Amino acid sequence: KQEVTQIPAALSVPEGENLVLNCSFTDSAIYNLQWFRQDPGKGLTSLLLIQSSQREQTSGRLNASLDKSSGRSTLYIAASQPGDSATYLCAVATGANNLFFGTGTRLTVIP
Amino acid sequence: NAGVMQNPRHLVRRRGQEARLRCSPMKGHSHVYWYRQLPEEGLKFMVYLQKENIIDESGMPKERFSAEFPKEGPSILRIQQVVRGDSAAYFCASSIARGAEQPQHFGDGTRLSIL
Repeated sequence: KQEVTQIPAALSVPEGENLVLNCSFTDSAIYNLQWFRQDPGKGLTSLLLIQSSQREQTSGRLNASLDKSSGRSTLYIAASQPGDSATYLCAVATGANNLFFGTGTRLTVIP
Repeated sequence: NAGVMQNPRHLVRRRGQEARLRCSPMKGHSHVYWYRQLPEEGLKFMVYLQKENIIDESGMPKERFSAEFPKEGPSILRIQQVVRGDSAAYFCASSIARGAEQPQHFGDGTRLSIL
């Protein structure tokens, strides 16, 4: 059964710092991996989707990498801003029907 | 608003009552997914539906829970005889087609509280 782990569970950084969030999964037979952002009391906003054949995706200050063979992904956030404060979720698709989510990393960017 | 719409945003029920959660997918999307997020836990898949069909309900509790996606109208997640443990955030997502290359778009969720 697929299990997704995110480390650290919480992270506080000063504004302007670059940071890396980690995601690992136990079953490397995935179709894709997605990073989401969740604000308190809100839904999920998709940030980046990496297909299993891809190594990385970039959007603005965000860069996500995927190493399927080792079961790892990282989300790199450059020049962090207070508005980046949120919970970041990693999810993998092992079939066409559903996503397996990690429990998230709660990020706080201190002004 | 062209996004996934869920209502109500918050729902309070007493133990033993029924809860009905509604989800209208994005325009043009005919695939709907329901997830549950228990306090301090990650989202867990419950059920995947297409119009008028349940495709995968492997994550749905066997009793008290049911889901439908009729030809007309929103998808409904129904919880009968609610218990305290049903308190959670329930999220709906939709996609334009089946397939892992199609991203799922999420609604803002329904927060269900059981008194």
